[in-house]
Amino acid sequence: AQSVTQLGSHVSVSEGALVLLRCNYSSSVPPYLFWYVQYPNQGLQLLLKYTTGATLVKGINGFEAEFKKSETSFHLTKPSAHMSDAAEYFCAVSDSPYRLAFGKGNQVVVIP
Amino acid sequence: DVKVTQSSRYLVKRTGEKVFLECVQDMDHENMFWYRQDPGLGLRLIYFSYDVKMKEKGDIPEGYSVSREKKERFSLILESASTNQTSMYLCASTVAGGQETQYFGPGTRLLVL
Repeated sequence: AQSVTQLGSHVSVSEGALVLLRCNYSSSVPPYLFWYVQYPNQGLQLLLKYTTGATLVKGINGFEAEFKKSETSFHLTKPSAHMSDAAEYFCAVSDSPYRLAFGKGNQVVVIP
Repeated sequence: DVKVTQSSRYLVKRTGEKVFLECVQDMDHENMFWYRQDPGLGLRLIYFSYDVKMKEKGDIPEGYSVSREKKERFSLILESASTNQTSMYLCASTVAGGQETQYFGPGTRLLVL
């Protein structure tokens, strides 16, 4: 069964500093991998996804993630945090149709 | 632009009431999903539907039922609301295939007193 681990429910980052959110997954087959962002009082919005091909994936708002099969990881990064990046971020994995397993989320706080 | 709408943003109900949550998508998507979101637990799948009148249980279906009479509309029903069903409910849809990007509605925050 697929599962996702996101460590650290709350992540604080200074404005202008690197944003790094870790995601590790377990899956018996090559998965599709996603990062979603949720702004306050809104639904989830896709940041980026990996299906096949290039392992470094670029998304919206300057975020990117790298799929590392040997480490079963899909960490999310952004070189320079902005105040508008304050939100909750979810990593998700799908290794079968209709099934998307979510991590527990990281609440990102950006400190001025 | 893709759009998933949910009938209410906030809802307050009493224990034992029957509750209907409605979701509509305008993207002609085959698949629709209902999740509940609780702090520290992420999103958990309640039910999904891959076609009109078709439904499958997710990970936490107890206490819920669903209805899909039209392709664009997917309803979540709480037959007899309980306080432990106080939560944020999110609807999503995706194209056929089932592993593609899911598009989410804004959510309904339900409080059961």
